[in-house]
Amino acid sequence: DTAVSQTPKYLVTQMGNDKSIKCEQNLGHDTMYWYKQDSKKFLKIMFSYNNKELIINETVPNRFSPKSPDKAHLNLHINSLELGDSAVYFCASSQEVTSGSLKYFGPGTRLTVL
Amino acid sequence: GDSVTQMEGPVTLSEEAFLTINCTYTATGYPSLFWYVQYPGEGLQLLLKATKADDKGSNKGFEATYRKETTSFHLEKGSVQVSDSAVYFCALNGAGGTSYGKLTFGQGTILTVHP
Repeated sequence: DTAVSQTPKYLVTQMGNDKSIKCEQNLGHDTMYWYKQDSKKFLKIMFSYNNKELIINETVPNRFSPKSPDKAHLNLHINSLELGDSAVYFCASSQEVTSGSLKYFGPGTRLTVL
Repeated sequence: GDSVTQMEGPVTLSEEAFLTINCTYTATGYPSLFWYVQYPGEGLQLLLKATKADDKGSNKGFEATYRKETTSFHLEKGSVQVSDSAVYFCALNGAGGTSYGKLTFGQGTILTVHP
């Protein structure tokens, strides 16, 4: 069974559309994250949820809205998509927020905005 | 805030060559340090980690030692294989202040190994 799964794997859409990416983890972890990887492979944290509560919210446009219906799921909804949103989005989870806690990553969702 | 700096890539080596990818960091407190690997078309996989000074992480022939005095966590492998071709990311997990719990990545180093 995949530990951290994301759907869809690929997403191609037009500018201005609204789309969602789903993430699920079956590791029983309390904390989940979204990371964005740009075209130069640079990875940056976007959000983190712990027990369904938002704990990290980097300077991300408010068009991006994470939603955590339960501890095992963290979805990312993006409104009014822009060309610059094209990237690979990775979901991750960890048992806790502490420094030594391992983060497990999903396979990524490649978003292309045309 | 926390930051991680990796050596510029891409790095191109012949099979069985020695590999070093330099990584230095700045951070508050005592972060944990990681190397992640991303194979072509795939997600991130944890390669190795170290949680305190002088710890050595190792996996699949790769090693890295947490050096607090030089704030470094260089990745090494004695003999690379074609299958090691990937992007390697150095990362730290913040231990203090606003960086607590955040995984901060270096810019990634592309490694290509030729037969």
